Amino acid sequence: NAGVTQTPKFQVLKTGQSMTLQCAQDMNHEYMSWYRQDPGMGLRLIHYSVGAGITDQGEVPNGYNVSRSTTEDFPLRLLSAAPSQTSVYFCASSPGTPATNEKLFFGSGTQLSVL
Amino acid sequence: SQKIEQNSEALNIQEGKTATLTCNYTNYSPAYLQWYRQDPGRGPVFLLLIRENEKEKRKERLKVTFDTTLKQSLFHITASQPADSATYLCALGSPGTYKYIFGTGTRLKVLA
Repeated sequence: NAGVTQTPKFQVLKTGQSMTLQCAQDMNHEYMSWYRQDPGMGLRLIHYSVGAGITDQGEVPNGYNVSRSTTEDFPLRLLSAAPSQTSVYFCASSPGTPATNEKLFFGSGTQLSVL
Repeated sequence: SQKIEQNSEALNIQEGKTATLTCNYTNYSPAYLQWYRQDPGRGPVFLLLIRENEKEKRKERLKVTFDTTLKQSLFHITASQPADSATYLCALGSPGTYKYIFGTGTRLKVLA
């Protein structure tokens, strides 16, 4: 099993550009989520999904869009990149939800720089 | 607002000693607490989960305690090794929520 796969590993954008961070999991997990990790801030939840067709906002959703058309994929779209979105992004999945004590499986991350 | 604090940003200890990391939380009543390990350039990896009705959990050289009165969890690594050097994160969750809340992490360095 590949687990949680994120692409690309690194990306540099100019302010105002848009792009999509890809996330795929092959474990048939219902719950998927996106986090950003900044120095001194820890992991902050951007968006999450509890199943295909169902998404919701996390702690820091502004400037990001998500969709969940299949169980496997959960892409994160940056609509108009800003320097404040420079961060490391992690996708994570779980067989259940935080309500059912399930652990998260993380991808290896995408390091994004916005100039 | 809900807040999680991990005792220090960095902790250096000598090989063979016990490392103790702290996770404190406020304005939250978690049903469980998780600990993750994160190596540089990688995503966090799950280590242990402890529920609110459990005082202590062990796995090999790892031990976690959970005190809901003090609103604190302690994470111990006994007989520490240089390979234990990493950042350790705590995370809280509870029924009725679809969100985990993570602490900022403690960077542990075990000196040979």
